[in-house]
Amino acid sequence: AQTVTQSQPEMSVQEAETVTLSCTYDTSENNYYLFWYKQPPSRQMILVIRQEAYKQQNATENRFSVNFQKAAKSFSLKISDSQLGDTAMYFCAFMKHVEETSGSRLTFGEGTQLTVNP
Amino acid sequence: DVKVTQSSRYLVKRTGEKVFLECVQDMDHENMFWYRQDPGLGLRLIYFSYDVKMKEKGDIPEGYSVSREKKERFSLILESASTNQTSMYLCASSLRGWPPNYYEQFFGPGTRLTVL
Repeated sequence: AQTVTQSQPEMSVQEAETVTLSCTYDTSENNYYLFWYKQPPSRQMILVIRQEAYKQQNATENRFSVNFQKAAKSFSLKISDSQLGDTAMYFCAFMKHVEETSGSRLTFGEGTQLTVNP
Repeated sequence: DVKVTQSSRYLVKRTGEKVFLECVQDMDHENMFWYRQDPGLGLRLIYFSYDVKMKEKGDIPEGYSVSREKKERFSLILESASTNQTSMYLCASSLRGWPPNYYEQFFGPGTRLTVL
């Protein structure tokens, strides 16, 4: 079974600064995917960024980037130039690669509540 | 535009009642999921379905059942609601298969269920 751990229940950052959210996971799988999801106060969860384990290059989406360390089983999210709209709960999630005939299920971490202060 | 809807945003039920939570997606997705979200525990998978009439237990299926009679609709059923089932319930859907881009899960807005 896979486990995902987010050790920072709450974080805060000043607007325009950079913040890094931590995530570690435990798995015996070699082929898998990692995700960061964002849940703003309105509650609709949205995907922020994803990383395929077979790719060594870290994923980047505009102001969001990850630091993927496969050997250390670490997957942190960096938010640059933080904006007030980044205030949300952030969840790290793991998905192992599955065959097409079965479902693709996510295992989530506990979440980190990020507050961006003006 | 991708859309997952849930029948209620807030629901209050009494202990022992049978509760139905409905989820509908309009993206023709094969996979559908039910999670519950609790503070400090993140999201935990209750059940998922990868095709009509197909279902698999997630990590915490006890006290719940599901129904998927049509591709677009996935129902979560609490046969006899209990106070420890007070929680936020999130539905999600995704395409199934390759390439990995299809594995993104799209979430509904959630139902806050209170069992008194």
